[in-house]
Amino acid sequence: EAGVAQSPRYKIIEKRQSVAFWCNPISGHATLYWYQQILGQGPKLLIQFQNNGVVDDSQLPKDRFSAERLKGVDSTLKIQPAKLEDSAVYLCASSSNTGGTEAFFGQGTRLTVV
Amino acid sequence: AQSVTQLGSHVSVSEGALVLLRCNYSSSVPPYLFWYVQYPNQGLQLLLKYTSAATLVKGINGFEAEFKKSETSFHLTKPSAHMSDAAEYFCAVSAGGTSYGKLTFGQGTILTVHP
Repeated sequence: EAGVAQSPRYKIIEKRQSVAFWCNPISGHATLYWYQQILGQGPKLLIQFQNNGVVDDSQLPKDRFSAERLKGVDSTLKIQPAKLEDSAVYLCASSSNTGGTEAFFGQGTRLTVV
Repeated sequence: AQSVTQLGSHVSVSEGALVLLRCNYSSSVPPYLFWYVQYPNQGLQLLLKYTSAATLVKGINGFEAEFKKSETSFHLTKPSAHMSDAAEYFCAVSAGGTSYGKLTFGQGTILTVHP
């Protein structure tokens, strides 16, 4: 079974630029999550999708972050414009609603804003 | 609301010694509890989980954890550390149901294993 795929693995941008991250969840997983992990901290949930609908985006900084999940499969997370404090690893995870009790994580995208 | 506190941001042990990583949680509903491991430049890998079945949970790589409701704890142990156990470990809690992937993480504990 293929895992959660994310790209790119690394990205360096200047502040005020825009950036987008892509996630392909495990096939058949209805729920998709984006987490932000700042160096030295545990991951923090940004947004949760159920199929292509948003379940929880209460911790997403909506003035600069946006996310979508078209057709209930792949998802993109965008930052525009980026700030220095957005430097972090962005982790995508997915889980099944029809069995199992865990979320599976991708390898993450490490973003550096300079 | 849920929260997790991991006691000790760094733990150092000798190879072959007992590993004990501490985790305390707070939850207004019966919790689902998880331990994840993260190797450098990698994502999170599930070590073990508690989902209201047996309170002593066995995971991969010889790790286990015990859910103690009275102490609101879910400490991770391994009888004998191996060099390959060096990594960062995260305790996490969720409300379960259809959102067991909606996790609140602790700040992490870096485990160092020295010869």
